[in-house]
Amino acid sequence: NAGVTQTPKFQVLKTGQSMTLQCAQDMNHEYMSWYRQDPGMGLRLIHYSVGAGITDQGEVPNGYNVSRSTTEDFPLRLLSAAPSQTSVYFCASSYFTGGRGPRTQYFGPGTRLLVL
Amino acid sequence: AQKITQTQPGMFVQEKEAVTLDCTYDTSDPSYGLFWYKQPSSGEMIFLIYQGSYDQQNATEGRYSLNFQKARKSANLVISASQLGDSAMYFCAMRGLTGANNLFFGTGTRLTVIP
Repeated sequence: NAGVTQTPKFQVLKTGQSMTLQCAQDMNHEYMSWYRQDPGMGLRLIHYSVGAGITDQGEVPNGYNVSRSTTEDFPLRLLSAAPSQTSVYFCASSYFTGGRGPRTQYFGPGTRLLVL
Repeated sequence: AQKITQTQPGMFVQEKEAVTLDCTYDTSDPSYGLFWYKQPSSGEMIFLIYQGSYDQQNATEGRYSLNFQKARKSANLVISASQLGDSAMYFCAMRGLTGANNLFFGTGTRLTVIP
């Protein structure tokens, strides 16, 4: 299993440009999510999905779009990049079943984004 | 709403010694899960250990153990016999056990192991 993969590893954008960060997982996880990590802060949730066709907003959704057409893929779109979106972006996935299990989230390697 | 507090921005420990990283939390959920992740300088997030609020015993995973004190709302990570490779950022996180899997993270503690 490759686990959770993210592309690209690093990207430089100019203000106003758009781009898509790719995330894929091969563990048949229902739940997928996007977090951003800024210096001195923990990870903050941008968007998440509990299954194909279902997405919802997290704590910091403004400026980002997501869709989930398959179980495996969960791309994050930056509509019009701003310097405030300079960050490290992590995708994560887990099982999403009823009950009290840990449903541990496993993270991709991250995408480092610089917006000039 | 959930909130995680990690009050130690940085910690130092001598190699082979034990170290405790603090984590306190606040939540209105009656059931919840607590996680610790390690982030080495290479940047990836590595899952270390999980504790469910309903678990009777403290979780252990090899050299990692979680000192869970529900009444105090604390979930401290204990690393025994520290190794140089333990130098990293450590994040405490939690989620409610109903609804989505969304994690709420603390700001992290940077651990440095001294040879």
